[in-house]
Amino acid sequence: AQSVTQLDSQVPVFEEAPVELRCNYSSSVSVYLFWYVQYPNQGLQLLLKYLSGSTLVKGINGFEAEFNKSQTSFHLRKPSVHISDTAEYFCAVSTVQGGKLIFGQGTELSVKP
Amino acid sequence: NAGVTQTPKFQVLKTGQSMTLQCAQDMNHEYMSWYRQDPGMGLRLIHYSVGAGITDQGEVPNGYNVSRSTTEDFPLRLLSAAPSQTSVYFCASSTDRGSYNEQFFGPGTRLTVL
Repeated sequence: AQSVTQLDSQVPVFEEAPVELRCNYSSSVSVYLFWYVQYPNQGLQLLLKYLSGSTLVKGINGFEAEFNKSQTSFHLRKPSVHISDTAEYFCAVSTVQGGKLIFGQGTELSVKP
Repeated sequence: NAGVTQTPKFQVLKTGQSMTLQCAQDMNHEYMSWYRQDPGMGLRLIHYSVGAGITDQGEVPNGYNVSRSTTEDFPLRLLSAAPSQTSVYFCASSTDRGSYNEQFFGPGTRLTVL
Protein backbone atom coordinates (compact mmCIF):
# COMPACT_ATOMS: atom_id res chain seq x y z
CA ALA A 1 0.00 0.00 0.00
CA GLN A 2 1.08 3.56 -0.61
CA SER A 3 1.30 6.32 1.95
CA VAL A 4 2.22 9.99 1.99
CA THR A 5 3.69 12.01 4.84
CA GLN A 6 3.85 15.77 4.82
CA LEU A 7 6.47 16.65 7.36
CA ASP A 8 5.15 20.06 8.41
CA SER A 9 1.56 20.81 9.33
CA GLN A 10 2.12 24.59 9.32
CA VAL A 11 4.75 26.74 7.63
CA PRO A 12 4.78 30.48 8.38
CA VAL A 13 6.98 32.63 6.13
CA PHE A 14 7.40 36.29 5.30
CA GLU A 15 6.48 37.69 1.92
CA GLU A 16 9.25 37.39 -0.72
CA ALA A 17 11.06 34.69 1.29
CA PRO A 18 11.70 31.25 -0.24
CA VAL A 19 9.69 28.29 0.95
CA GLU A 20 9.94 24.49 0.83
CA LEU A 21 7.06 22.19 1.72
CA ARG A 22 8.24 18.67 2.39
CA CYS A 23 6.61 15.46 1.22
CA ASN A 24 7.78 11.87 1.60
CA TYR A 25 6.02 8.85 0.17
CA SER A 26 6.14 5.11 0.63
CA SER A 27 5.45 2.62 -2.15
CA SER A 28 6.79 -0.71 -3.34
CA VAL A 29 5.86 0.07 -6.96
CA SER A 30 6.35 2.99 -9.33
CA VAL A 31 4.29 6.05 -8.53
CA TYR A 32 2.86 9.24 -9.92
CA LEU A 33 3.16 12.27 -7.62
CA PHE A 34 1.00 15.38 -7.34
CA TRP A 35 0.77 18.64 -5.45
CA TYR A 36 -2.66 20.22 -5.04
CA VAL A 37 -3.47 23.62 -3.49
CA GLN A 38 -6.61 24.57 -1.59
CA TYR A 39 -7.31 28.28 -1.16
CA PRO A 40 -9.60 29.25 1.73
CA ASN A 41 -13.16 27.98 1.31
CA GLN A 42 -12.45 26.47 -2.11
CA GLY A 43 -11.89 23.04 -3.61
CA LEU A 44 -8.48 21.67 -4.52
CA GLN A 45 -6.70 22.48 -7.77
CA LEU A 46 -3.66 20.89 -9.34
CA LEU A 47 -0.33 22.73 -8.92
CA LEU A 48 1.91 20.23 -10.66
CA LYS A 49 2.49 16.52 -11.22
CA TYR A 50 5.35 14.13 -11.84
CA LEU A 51 4.64 11.23 -14.19
CA SER A 52 8.06 10.39 -15.64
CA GLY A 53 11.12 11.98 -17.22
CA SER A 54 12.82 15.04 -15.77
CA THR A 55 12.80 14.96 -11.99
CA LEU A 56 12.30 18.73 -11.74
CA VAL A 57 8.70 19.63 -12.43
CA LYS A 58 7.43 23.17 -12.88
CA GLY A 59 3.86 24.09 -12.04
CA ILE A 60 1.56 27.07 -11.90
CA ASN A 61 2.17 30.25 -9.90
CA GLY A 62 5.97 29.81 -9.89
CA PHE A 63 6.02 26.57 -7.90
CA GLU A 64 8.31 23.66 -8.70
CA ALA A 65 8.96 20.26 -7.17
CA GLU A 66 11.76 17.74 -7.38
CA PHE A 67 11.23 14.00 -7.47
CA ASN A 68 13.94 12.14 -5.57
CA LYS A 69 13.50 8.40 -5.95
CA SER A 70 16.33 7.39 -3.61
CA GLN A 71 14.94 9.55 -0.80
CA THR A 72 11.29 8.87 -1.78
CA SER A 73 10.59 12.57 -1.60
CA PHE A 74 8.72 15.14 -3.68
CA HIS A 75 9.33 18.52 -2.02
CA LEU A 76 7.58 21.65 -3.27
CA ARG A 77 9.50 24.91 -3.57
CA LYS A 78 9.00 28.54 -4.49
CA PRO A 79 11.87 31.06 -4.51
CA SER A 80 9.76 34.06 -3.46
CA VAL A 81 6.27 33.76 -1.99
CA HIS A 82 3.40 36.25 -2.11
CA ILE A 83 0.56 36.89 0.30
CA SER A 84 -1.74 35.25 -2.26
CA ASP A 85 0.12 31.93 -1.82
CA THR A 86 -1.47 31.54 1.62
CA ALA A 87 -3.34 28.24 1.31
CA GLU A 88 -3.24 24.58 2.27
CA TYR A 89 -1.04 22.36 0.12
CA PHE A 90 -1.54 18.64 -0.33
CA CYS A 91 0.92 16.09 -1.64
CA ALA A 92 -0.67 13.01 -3.23
CA VAL A 93 0.49 9.72 -4.74
CA SER A 94 -0.99 7.11 -7.03
CA THR A 95 0.54 4.02 -8.59
CA VAL A 96 1.47 3.52 -12.21
CA GLN A 97 -0.63 0.34 -12.14
CA GLY A 98 -3.76 2.40 -11.61
CA GLY A 99 -4.20 2.81 -7.89
CA LYS A 100 -6.34 5.42 -6.21
CA LEU A 101 -5.03 8.85 -5.27
CA ILE A 102 -3.76 8.92 -1.67
CA PHE A 103 -3.37 12.32 0.00
CA GLY A 104 -1.04 13.54 2.68
CA GLN A 105 -2.28 15.37 5.75
CA GLY A 106 -1.75 18.82 4.25
CA THR A 107 0.58 21.73 5.01
CA GLU A 108 -0.84 25.12 5.84
CA LEU A 109 1.32 27.85 4.29
CA SER A 110 0.84 31.25 5.89
CA VAL A 111 2.58 34.19 4.19
CA LYS A 112 2.95 37.27 6.35
CA PRO A 113 3.69 40.82 5.16
CA ASN B 1 -18.21 24.99 -18.39
CA ALA B 2 -19.37 25.04 -14.78
CA GLY B 3 -16.89 22.24 -13.96
CA VAL B 4 -17.81 20.27 -10.84
CA THR B 5 -20.72 21.63 -8.84
CA GLN B 6 -21.89 20.57 -5.40
CA THR B 7 -25.02 21.33 -3.43
CA PRO B 8 -25.69 22.31 -0.74
CA LYS B 9 -22.69 24.39 0.40
CA PHE B 10 -23.61 24.01 4.07
CA GLN B 11 -25.86 21.57 5.92
CA VAL B 12 -26.71 20.88 9.55
CA LEU B 13 -28.30 17.54 10.40
CA LYS B 14 -29.46 15.86 13.59
CA THR B 15 -28.17 12.42 14.47
CA GLY B 16 -30.16 9.77 12.63
CA GLN B 17 -31.36 11.99 9.80
CA SER B 18 -30.62 11.07 6.20
CA MET B 19 -29.68 13.30 3.32
CA THR B 20 -28.13 13.36 -0.14
CA LEU B 21 -25.19 15.48 -1.19
CA GLN B 22 -25.41 16.34 -4.86
CA CYS B 23 -22.51 16.39 -7.31
CA ALA B 24 -22.60 17.12 -11.03
CA GLN B 25 -19.98 17.69 -13.72
CA ASP B 26 -20.34 18.95 -17.27
CA MET B 27 -16.97 17.83 -18.63
CA ASN B 28 -18.12 14.35 -19.75
CA HIS B 29 -15.70 12.77 -17.28
CA GLU B 30 -15.98 9.04 -16.73
CA TYR B 31 -14.31 8.92 -13.32
CA MET B 32 -15.96 10.55 -10.28
CA SER B 33 -15.20 10.27 -6.60
CA TRP B 34 -16.19 11.49 -3.16
CA TYR B 35 -13.71 12.50 -0.45
CA ARG B 36 -14.09 13.73 3.08
CA GLN B 37 -11.64 16.22 4.55
CA ASP B 38 -10.95 16.26 8.28
CA PRO B 39 -8.35 18.40 10.09
CA GLY B 40 -4.92 16.79 10.13
CA MET B 41 -6.06 13.83 8.03
CA GLY B 42 -5.95 15.16 4.49
CA LEU B 43 -8.59 13.83 2.09
CA ARG B 44 -9.89 10.29 2.37
CA LEU B 45 -11.70 8.49 -0.42
CA ILE B 46 -15.27 7.42 0.39
CA HIS B 47 -16.60 5.97 -2.89
CA TYR B 48 -15.74 6.25 -6.54
CA SER B 49 -17.20 5.45 -9.94
CA VAL B 50 -15.47 4.60 -13.21
CA GLY B 51 -18.58 5.15 -15.32
CA ALA B 52 -22.36 5.13 -15.30
CA GLY B 53 -23.66 2.10 -13.44
CA ILE B 54 -20.30 1.23 -11.84
CA THR B 55 -19.33 2.20 -8.30
CA ASP B 56 -16.85 0.92 -5.75
CA GLN B 57 -15.74 1.57 -2.18
CA GLY B 58 -12.83 3.70 -1.11
CA GLU B 59 -11.04 3.90 2.23
CA VAL B 60 -13.95 5.02 4.42
CA PRO B 61 -17.25 3.83 2.85
CA ASN B 62 -19.21 2.92 5.99
CA GLY B 63 -22.38 4.96 6.48
CA TYR B 64 -22.47 6.21 2.88
CA ASN B 65 -24.15 5.02 -0.31
CA VAL B 66 -23.62 6.12 -3.90
CA SER B 67 -25.13 5.45 -7.30
CA ARG B 68 -24.23 6.58 -10.82
CA SER B 69 -27.18 6.50 -13.17
CA THR B 70 -25.76 9.12 -15.56
CA THR B 71 -22.27 10.27 -16.53
CA GLU B 72 -22.96 13.73 -15.12
CA ASP B 73 -24.29 13.00 -11.62
CA PHE B 74 -22.81 11.20 -8.63
CA PRO B 75 -24.87 11.75 -5.45
CA LEU B 76 -23.64 10.71 -2.01
CA ARG B 77 -26.25 9.48 0.48
CA LEU B 78 -25.90 9.50 4.24
CA LEU B 79 -28.26 6.83 5.50
CA SER B 80 -28.37 7.71 9.21
CA ALA B 81 -26.15 10.65 10.07
CA ALA B 82 -23.73 10.40 12.99
CA PRO B 83 -21.56 13.12 14.62
CA SER B 84 -18.47 11.30 13.25
CA GLN B 85 -19.67 12.27 9.77
CA THR B 86 -19.20 15.96 10.52
CA SER B 87 -16.72 16.93 7.82
CA VAL B 88 -16.18 18.78 4.56
CA TYR B 89 -17.12 16.66 1.56
CA PHE B 90 -15.55 17.09 -1.86
CA CYS B 91 -16.62 15.59 -5.13
CA ALA B 92 -14.02 15.21 -7.90
CA SER B 93 -13.93 14.04 -11.48
CA SER B 94 -11.33 13.14 -14.11
CA THR B 95 -11.36 12.03 -17.72
CA ASP B 96 -10.90 8.34 -16.90
CA ARG B 97 -9.63 6.12 -14.14
CA GLY B 98 -6.02 6.54 -15.20
CA SER B 99 -4.02 7.32 -12.09
CA TYR B 100 -1.96 9.92 -13.99
CA ASN B 101 -4.96 12.14 -14.55
CA GLU B 102 -5.65 15.46 -12.88
CA GLN B 103 -8.73 15.41 -10.70
CA PHE B 104 -11.07 18.41 -10.79
CA PHE B 105 -12.68 19.24 -7.47
CA GLY B 106 -15.96 20.87 -6.57
CA PRO B 107 -16.17 23.66 -3.96
CA GLY B 108 -17.21 21.31 -1.16
CA THR B 109 -20.13 20.77 1.21
CA ARG B 110 -19.59 21.57 4.88
CA LEU B 111 -21.71 19.14 6.94
CA THR B 112 -22.34 19.34 10.67
CA VAL B 113 -24.13 16.51 12.48
CA LEU B 114 -25.45 17.39 15.92
